[in-house]
Amino acid sequence: DAGVTQSPTHLIKTRGQQVTLRCSPKSGHDTVSWYQQALGQGPQFIFQYYEEEERQRGNFPDRFSGHQFPNYSSELNVNALLLGDSALYLCASSLPGKINYGYTFGSGTRLTVV
Amino acid sequence: QKEVEQNSGPLSVPEGAIASLNCTYSDRVSQSFFWYRQYSGKSPELIMSIYSNGDKEDGRFTAQLNKASQYVSLLIRDSQPSDSATYLCAVILMDSNYQLIWGAGTKLIIKP
Repeated sequence: DAGVTQSPTHLIKTRGQQVTLRCSPKSGHDTVSWYQQALGQGPQFIFQYYEEEERQRGNFPDRFSGHQFPNYSSELNVNALLLGDSALYLCASSLPGKINYGYTFGSGTRLTVV
Repeated sequence: QKEVEQNSGPLSVPEGAIASLNCTYSDRVSQSFFWYRQYSGKSPELIMSIYSNGDKEDGRFTAQLNKASQYVSLLIRDSQPSDSATYLCAVILMDSNYQLIWGAGTKLIIKP
């Protein structure tokens, strides 16, 4: 049973560029959430996708956008990268109505903006 | 006021002793509470969840919830060096549409 998979694992981008991160949820899960975790901080909620729609969003600018595909996989896009976007980006999957069981996280994508 | 607060640590505990980690949350109706363990450079791993007041035990781990006092704690018995990690507390709030609210984590160091 595959867990949550994220790609790439590491990425280095230049300020002003655009980046796309990818996530495949755990088998049987159809809800995907994205988090940004800066060094020494807890994860910060970016947005959540369910049924190919953004269900809720955290306090992130419009430079952060996403998409969910019919197979439940998801992408996170960040435009006009800033140095402050350097962080670990985590994808988590869950079942709707089963969130009390907790989220399952992928291994993350470490983004470095230079 | 931050919604979920944890002491950042580091908390240093001798091997074999009990490690006690605490988390407080803001005055809102809260639904579910989670403890995640995160090793350096890795993603968070769910180790305990608790929904009702009282204690919940799973192996060497015990989660304690007190909704009246708005705190949740995690006890780790017989601490091992492999328990050294950052422990994140996360809370689901009733009016957050199942969004997880995270504390910043407590760094735990188990000294051999």
